Amino acid sequence: KAGVTQTPRYLIKTRGQQVTLSCSPISGHRSVSWYQQTPGQGLQFLFEYFSETQRNKGNFPGRFSGRQFSNSRSEMNVSTLELGDSALYLCASSLSGRRDSPLHFGNGTRLTVT
Amino acid sequence: QQQVKQSPQSLIVQKGGISIINCAYENTAFDYFPWYQQFPGKGPALLIAIRPDVSEKKEGRFTISFNKSAKQFSLHIMDSQPGDSATYFCAASIKNRDDKIIFGKGTRLHILP
Repeated sequence: KAGVTQTPRYLIKTRGQQVTLSCSPISGHRSVSWYQQTPGQGLQFLFEYFSETQRNKGNFPGRFSGRQFSNSRSEMNVSTLELGDSALYLCASSLSGRRDSPLHFGNGTRLTVT
Repeated sequence: QQQVKQSPQSLIVQKGGISIINCAYENTAFDYFPWYQQFPGKGPALLIAIRPDVSEKKEGRFTISFNKSAKQFSLHIMDSQPGDSATYFCAASIKNRDDKIIFGKGTRLHILP
């Protein structure tokens, strides 16, 4: 079974631009969540989608948004990029979205904002 | 209240030694505690998980010890190997409407050959 696929692997953007990251979950997984990973803050939860509906949202500004499609694929968008948005963005899928259902992470998209 | 505090931030252990990573929490409503392991260039992967109704869970060389009264839990890696060098995240979740998992900030473990 194919794992979680995130594209692109690397992105370099300029401050003020916007960016869209893509995530394809494991086949059959209906829950997709997004995390921001930085050296100082660890893994910070952005949001979770289940069956195309946003179910949870972390404490990030409205510049961060996402969506999920009917095939469970998900996209995350960041508008008006800031230098502090430079991070590794991880997508994770799970079968049921239950908190004790293992999260299967992709290898991330490394975003650099200059 | 919703935080999980992880220590140490980094750890160096000799091959064959015991690696110990500690986590503490405040919210007694947390009732599921997974550990994730992340290798460089990869996403985290579930390593082992425990619920507070047991004090210890062992899987191979990896053991979670849980102290409910102290609100602490720890990961022990016995006979540590260079292949165990990775970043480890503890986490906790609470059964409520949100169902979110809260992660610690991670421990970078390096096993000396």
